[in-house]
Amino acid sequence: EAGVVQSPRYKIIEKKQPVAFWCNPISGHNTLYWYRQNLGQGPELLIRYENEEAVDDSQLPKDRFSAERLKGVDSTLKIQPAELGDSAVYLCASGIRDREAEAFFGQGTRLTVV
Amino acid sequence: QKEVEQDPGPLSVPEGAIVSLNCTYSNSAFQYFMWYRQYSRKGPELLMYTYSSGNKEDGRFTAQVDKSSKYISLFIRDSQPSDSATYLCAMRKTGANNLFFGTGTRLTVIP
Repeated sequence: EAGVVQSPRYKIIEKKQPVAFWCNPISGHNTLYWYRQNLGQGPELLIRYENEEAVDDSQLPKDRFSAERLKGVDSTLKIQPAELGDSAVYLCASGIRDREAEAFFGQGTRLTVV
Repeated sequence: QKEVEQDPGPLSVPEGAIVSLNCTYSNSAFQYFMWYRQYSRKGPELLMYTYSSGNKEDGRFTAQVDKSSKYISLFIRDSQPSDSATYLCAMRKTGANNLFFGTGTRLTVIP
């Protein structure tokens, strides 16, 4: 079974430029998460989807970040415009609702803003 | 104060040693306790999870939860160089799907 797939793996952009990340969750997983992991820190939740509905986006900086999950499967996370402080690893994870202990992570997208 | 505290290390041990990794937390609503392993430039990989208090064993790994002390541990027996990674504790509340992570402890097992 394929795991969570993210692309690109690495991205370097100049500040003020837009950037987008893509995630394909494990088949059948209705819960999808985007986390941000700063260097030397644990992941922090940005947004959580149940199917196509964003049920927790309280930590998403909505002035520059947006996300969507079309048809309750793939998801994209966008930053516009990017700032230097956005440099981090952006992790996508998926799981099954009511199986609360299990979230499976992709390899992440490492973003560097210069 | 963060809800989950974890000593970032780094921690270096010789091959074959017993490793003890720990986290403390402040929110008594946490009911699920997880340990993730993260290799360099990879995503976190779920190692073990425990519901509420108690112990759970899986091969060389043992997870312990002491809710009265708000303290969780992961023990690795007969540590191997392949165990070298960052270990993240994570927790969630019943009915909520968000994970709260510690900062991770970087472990190196020296051959």
